[in-house]
Amino acid sequence: EVQLLESGGGLVQPGGSLRLSCVVSGFTFSSYAMSWVRQAPGKGLEWVSGISYSGGSTYYADSVKGRLTISRDNSKNTLYLQMNSLRAEDTAVYYCAKDRGNSGSYGLDYWGQGTLVTVSS
Amino acid sequence: DIQMTQSPSSLSASVGDRATITCRASQSISNYLNWYQQKPGKAPKLLIYAVSSLQSGVPSRFSGSGSGTHFTLTISSLQPEDFASYYCQQTYSSPYTFGQGTKLEYK
Repeated sequence: EVQLLESGGGLVQPGGSLRLSCVVSGFTFSSYAMSWVRQAPGKGLEWVSGISYSGGSTYYADSVKGRLTISRDNSKNTLYLQMNSLRAEDTAVYYCAKDRGNSGSYGLDYWGQGTLVTVSS
Repeated sequence: DIQMTQSPSSLSASVGDRATITCRASQSISNYLNWYQQKPGKAPKLLIYAVSSLQSGVPSRFSGSGSGTHFTLTISSLQPEDFASYYCQQTYSSPYTFGQGTKLEYK
């Protein structure tokens, strides 16, 4: 059974940092691209960042470029999102998701349950 | 960046009705178009990828069509569990933008 489990969310002050983790099981993590998608309270989905199967290619939404960094450790079956210089508008539930392919994106077929990040003073 | 525009933003329908949701891209995205369903408090679920390919386990009443910049999701006969929000997403080029969503509600 495929499982994705996010952690690391919480309350952080504006300008602060947070690191999200997503531990996966049930599939060969090192063979698939992964993404982070967020959803602000009461709003729609926003794709945030993606990474190829090897970690050699990374992709970002304009709204987070330079502040958020995606990475992966294939030996630990773990995806990360380092979040720096956080703003109120980064407040959202953050989902990690598995891609159907190994690079770029071909549709996100498995999702975690999400972790809430709240940026507020 | 490629903009994705869904219509309508909300749709009222009854069980047994046919529902159609449209998604338009600001430029051609070939067949790199996916559809998701999301229920309140839950993670999204992939329904259709590459315009018209049904994800494993998804009922055949869901179908997708289109090409270039104009795409549709059709639910042939609505069931109670289909009342949810639906999102299109382009994966032709990064950033892989979503549409703003369509909320399918009971009439």
